[in-house]
Amino acid sequence: DTGVSQDPRHKITKRGQNVTFRCDPISEHNRLYWYRQTLGQGPEFLTYFQNEAQLEKSRLLSDRFSAERPKGSFSTLEIQRTEQGDSAMYLCASSIDRSGANVLTFGAGSRLTVL
Amino acid sequence: EDKVVQSPLSLVVHEGDTVTLNCSYEVTNFRSLLWYKQEKKAPTFLFMLTSSGIEKKSGRLSSILDKKELSSILNITATQTGDSAIYLCAVGRWGKLIFGQGTTLQVKP
Repeated sequence: DTGVSQDPRHKITKRGQNVTFRCDPISEHNRLYWYRQTLGQGPEFLTYFQNEAQLEKSRLLSDRFSAERPKGSFSTLEIQRTEQGDSAMYLCASSIDRSGANVLTFGAGSRLTVL
Repeated sequence: EDKVVQSPLSLVVHEGDTVTLNCSYEVTNFRSLLWYKQEKKAPTFLFMLTSSGIEKKSGRLSSILDKKELSSILNITATQTGDSAIYLCAVGRWGKLIFGQGTTLQVKP
């Protein structure tokens, strides 16, 4: 197992275009998380899944953002009609649920630049 | 609203110095407090502190959780240039981690 994989690592797009990121978690991990990180800030929670169920979504998340985790394996994060403010590093993480005390293992991230 | 605050936001020291990084939190349903180190890529896990494990140590790094004061410190002794990174504090509640802004540490030779 090579850890959490994210693809693509970098994406440059024009405002108004749609983008999709993929995350492959550690195989035995049942939880998968998406975070967004901008320069000088800590990671900001977006959403998380337990198996295939999306259990929580940030109130700050625009309806242009959607995430899926079909069959409880890999996950995709889609951003529709991108805006310059969406430029950020999108981090995926996974964990095994242990009574609420979860150590998240992060992927290397997908960096989005919206021109 | 859940909140995690780190201080200082940035710090410059010389090799061999000892540093203390601070993290305070206001989080409902607290389960754990975690420290991560972030260099140019993904955050990597350092420590997890819970009610049953309020002090951890690994080499030159150590951390303590003060549940009464709702805070934690991360100590690094005999700093090295390889310790230069962003140190992130995160508090775990059911389902997710809430991160602070991070402390950027620069260790000069």
